[in-house]
Amino acid sequence: ETGVTQTPRHLVMGMTNKKSLKCEQHLGHNAMYWYKQSAKKPLELMFVYSLEERVENNSVPSRFSPECPNSSHLFLHLHTLQPEDSALYLCASSQELQGNYEQYFGPGTRLTVT
Amino acid sequence: AQSVTQLDSHVSVSEGTPVLLRCNYSSSYSPSLFWYVQHPNKGLQLLLKYTSAATLVKGINGFEAEFKKSETSFHLTKPSAHMSDAAEYFCVVSLGGGYNKLIFGAGTRLAVHP
Repeated sequence: ETGVTQTPRHLVMGMTNKKSLKCEQHLGHNAMYWYKQSAKKPLELMFVYSLEERVENNSVPSRFSPECPNSSHLFLHLHTLQPEDSALYLCASSQELQGNYEQYFGPGTRLTVT
Repeated sequence: AQSVTQLDSHVSVSEGTPVLLRCNYSSSYSPSLFWYVQHPNKGLQLLLKYTSAATLVKGINGFEAEFKKSETSFHLTKPSAHMSDAAEYFCVVSLGGGYNKLIFGAGTRLAVHP
């Protein structure tokens, strides 16, 4: 679990606030991911960054804005969120092109939108 | 198209008895398959993976899974449940490709009773 860290672990924000989630991986990987985990729903892939370029955006609303300044760091900027955005946000990383395919996950940020 | 179905949303066992969590997959080619575990308020941890080598895969904490192509199954088993095994378990298939896209099952919540 210490290979991928996420801060903060818990966040409560109002609908008019702006906040950012941070993810850092210490595994030397070259791909990073944001997932949303809501109660009673399968894990949803939000964004994928490969070699610091965004390669997938799964129809995520524009109130979520990702940023990947380098291969070790990934941010998710949040603004004017809705109560239904309350969820556990998970970050993951992997090493592409080596045929291993597994992803390593951080502990998540529990987000509550009031 | 690749997909994964976990056949039970909840499984309850007594401590010391065997565990069976069922997973069926659909894939147009030989897939990579994984089982992840998520303890309460934690991220996902890789239990084991199948990547076209041995069909019986051993993972951490005494878990193992068998890849059966004829049945398109990848069931997770453990001979003797421990209280600490209580968690949610996810069966996952990889799409492979240039970056690793994972498709998650809906999850099976395992309860272990004394």
